[in-house]
Amino acid sequence: DGGITQSPKYLFRKEGQNVTLSCEQNLNHDAMYWYRQDPGQGLRLIYYSQIVNDFQKGDIAEGYSVSREKKESFPLTVTSAQKNPTAFYLCASSIDGVSYEQYFGPGTRLTVT
Amino acid sequence: GENVEQHPSTLSVQEGDSAVIKCTYSDSASNYFPWYKQELGKRPQLIIDIRSNVGEKKDQRIAVTLNKTAKHFSLHITETQPEDSAVYFCAASIIPIDNKLIFGTGTLLAVQP
Repeated sequence: DGGITQSPKYLFRKEGQNVTLSCEQNLNHDAMYWYRQDPGQGLRLIYYSQIVNDFQKGDIAEGYSVSREKKESFPLTVTSAQKNPTAFYLCASSIDGVSYEQYFGPGTRLTVT
Repeated sequence: GENVEQHPSTLSVQEGDSAVIKCTYSDSASNYFPWYKQELGKRPQLIIDIRSNVGEKKDQRIAVTLNKTAKHFSLHITETQPEDSAVYFCAASIIPIDNKLIFGTGTLLAVQP
């Protein structure tokens, strides 16, 4: 473990508010990913970035936004447009090219009421 | 896009028995198939992966087999132990063109002592 961190561990927000989840890595990995984990639905890809200043939508990008201004950081904003934001969010990174293993952070559990 | 189906969703075995989890994928271009293990309250971690140029890979008690023609791959765990109890996720990707992982919905494996 270690090398990729997410904060906070638990986050509570009122409906209608935007919220930003932090993801930082010191592994010098080029690629970073955001997943949403819901019971019985596995890990669904929200956004991913293979290099700084570039990112692509995953399967469930609606209602989310990201930025990749630094190699180490890939914050995810959950906007008020996301219909069901309550979930467990996992960030991951990978070096690619040699190994495609994704290293996951500890996750943030977001509850919106 | 790629779709990965995983079965069964839950699996209960006696300690010492074997466990098999199966996945199918839809995109014949997929060429990288990792398996991740997520213990309760922890982050997913890679346990084994296989590329499309091999049909089987083993690492101690775990093995993965790939049938490209049928587009399915399986995880085999022999001599199961209580510490094997976890959720297992299969995934598929097209490397190095598009390194994003599409995950299956997960299998909860319970090893009964």
